[in-house]
Amino acid sequence: KQEVTQIPAALSVPEGENLVLNCSFTDSAIYNLQWFRQDPGKGLTSLLLIQSSQREQTSGRLNASLDKSSGRSTLYIAASQPGDSATYLCAVSFLGNNNDMRFGAGTRLTVKP
Amino acid sequence: NAGVTQTPKFQVLKTGQSMTLQCAQDMNHEYMSWYRQDPGMGLRLIHYSVGAGITDQGEVPNGYNVSRSTTEDFPLRLLSAAPSQTSVYFCASSYSIPEYNEQFFGPGTRLTVL
Repeated sequence: KQEVTQIPAALSVPEGENLVLNCSFTDSAIYNLQWFRQDPGKGLTSLLLIQSSQREQTSGRLNASLDKSSGRSTLYIAASQPGDSATYLCAVSFLGNNNDMRFGAGTRLTVKP
Repeated sequence: NAGVTQTPKFQVLKTGQSMTLQCAQDMNHEYMSWYRQDPGMGLRLIHYSVGAGITDQGEVPNGYNVSRSTTEDFPLRLLSAAPSQTSVYFCASSYSIPEYNEQFFGPGTRLTVL
């Protein structure tokens, strides 16, 4: 079964710390992987999209890496700020999955001032 | 651009009632989809559409109907609401199939079925 897992479910760090969020998936045959941010009571905001042929993508303080062979992706956040507090979701488009993106349950990040 | 809009934001139904969740986008996106989000679980795809007049089922389609008469609108109908359909529903759109494009999400509809 094609599944996406995010560990830990919650993470709390002091402001200024660099941190890594993890995403693992069970099948290396993918189209792409996306990282989203979700604020409480809000919709999802796309952060980074990595195509299967790419190894990483960067946007500002965010860097996402992709290792298909090991079924892993990481989202690196540099110099964390309280405004980064949110739930971060990983979603994978698996090959042959009929347009179905599979989401992880998310990591709830709290950055303390 | 308003992006992806959803109405209503909140809804309470009794078991057996029917209703339609509205979704609209003004970005001329071909691909639209509906997800539900339940506590402790990721989003799960209900139905999707690759263009006007074309719809298909996702991972959890039972109890829901969709239609796509225009590019802009993609309503989700609950035929006979059940407590298991209590969830937060998100509509999303992208320029084409999400394998190649990022998706844009609406703010969600929080539905409670009593």
